[in-house]
Amino acid sequence: KAGVTQTPRYLIKTRGQQVTLSCSPISGHRSVSWYQQTPGQGLQFLFEYFSETQRNKGNFPGRFSGRQFSNSRSEMNVSTLELGDSALYLCASRRRTGGEVTDTQYFGPGTRLTVL
Amino acid sequence: QKEVEQDPGPLSVPEGAIVSLNCTYSNSAFQYFMWYRQYSRKGPELLMYTYSSGNKEDGRFTAQVDKSSKYISLFIRDSQPSDSATYLCAMNTGFQKLVFGTGTRLLVSP
Repeated sequence: KAGVTQTPRYLIKTRGQQVTLSCSPISGHRSVSWYQQTPGQGLQFLFEYFSETQRNKGNFPGRFSGRQFSNSRSEMNVSTLELGDSALYLCASRRRTGGEVTDTQYFGPGTRLTVL
Repeated sequence: QKEVEQDPGPLSVPEGAIVSLNCTYSNSAFQYFMWYRQYSRKGPELLMYTYSSGNKEDGRFTAQVDKSSKYISLFIRDSQPSDSATYLCAMNTGFQKLVFGTGTRLLVSP
């Protein structure tokens, strides 16, 4: 079974630009979560989508948004990029929403975003 | 202060050593405790999880939770170079999203 895939793997943007990241979950998984990983803050939850609806949201500004399509694929968008947005953006999928402990989430390899 | 604290390392050990990785936390409501392993250029993968206090063993890995001290540990016996990775602890109350530590980088030299 194919794992979670994320595209692109690396991205370089400049301040003020916007960026869209893509995630394809494991087949059969309907929940997709996005995380930002930085050395100082670690892994921080951005949002979770299930059945095309945002189910949970972390403490990030409105510049960070996402969506999920009917085939469970998800995109994440960051507008008006800032230097502090440089990070590894990870996507994780699971079969359903909730069940943080009983329903293992599987992470993709991430998209490394650098903002200059 | 962060809810979950983890020493970033790096922790360097020779092959065969016993490794101890630790996290402290401040939220006494946390009940579920997990350890993830993240190799370079990969996403985290779940290693083990424990509920409440006590120990759990899986092969060379042992997870330990001390709720009275708000302290969790992951022990790796007979460490191998293939264990070189970043280890992240994560925890939650059972109803919220997981709260992750920043990760400890482990280097096991042959």
